[in-house]
Amino acid sequence: AQTVTQSQPEMSVQEAETVTLSCTYDTSESDYYLFWYKQPPSRQMILVIRQEAYKQQNATENRFSVNFQKAAKSFSLKISDSQLGDAAMYFCAYEQGTYKYIFGTGTRLKVLA
Amino acid sequence: DAGITQSPRYKITETGRQVTLMCHQTWSHSYMFWYRQDLGHGLRLIYYSAAADITDKGEVPDGYVVSRSKTENFPLTLESATRSQTSVYFCASTGWTEAFFGQGTRLTVV
Repeated sequence: AQTVTQSQPEMSVQEAETVTLSCTYDTSESDYYLFWYKQPPSRQMILVIRQEAYKQQNATENRFSVNFQKAAKSFSLKISDSQLGDAAMYFCAYEQGTYKYIFGTGTRLKVLA
Repeated sequence: DAGITQSPRYKITETGRQVTLMCHQTWSHSYMFWYRQDLGHGLRLIYYSAAADITDKGEVPDGYVVSRSKTENFPLTLESATRSQTSVYFCASTGWTEAFFGQGTRLTVV
């Protein structure tokens, strides 16, 4: 069965600095999708970034980028120029074409002013 | 408004009572899901539905029942609530590129 592991329960970053959140996953499939979702205190789940496994190029969305290492089954999220509004719980998720998402346990990010 | 809506947002119930959480989506997405979120566990899949009248169990289905008579609605019922079902519940539907989530329901069983 596929699993997603986020080994950092909590991270802190100084405002304007860069932080990287880690995610590893286990699968025997070659085609799948990976996601990072943000959950602020409002509880709303917000898509941050999406990566297709067949794409070599790492996805980027403004200040958010990923480091996708398919062979290592690693999918880290880098947040550049961190802002106070980035403070949230971040979830890594895996989906394999069945529309079912498997989530990691989350990393709580604190942004220090 | 387009989107996915859950109700209620907060619910307190007593052990043994039946509780139904509602979920409605306006996109006509085929797939809908119920997750529960607990500290240390992330989001875990309870049940999902591929279309109206087609449902299947997820990772943690015990104690829950779902139905889907219409594409847009996917209610989740706790037949006899237990304290271990105290959690935040999320409904979701999936489009081509991402899953969309409701605002969540915080359920407390006392």
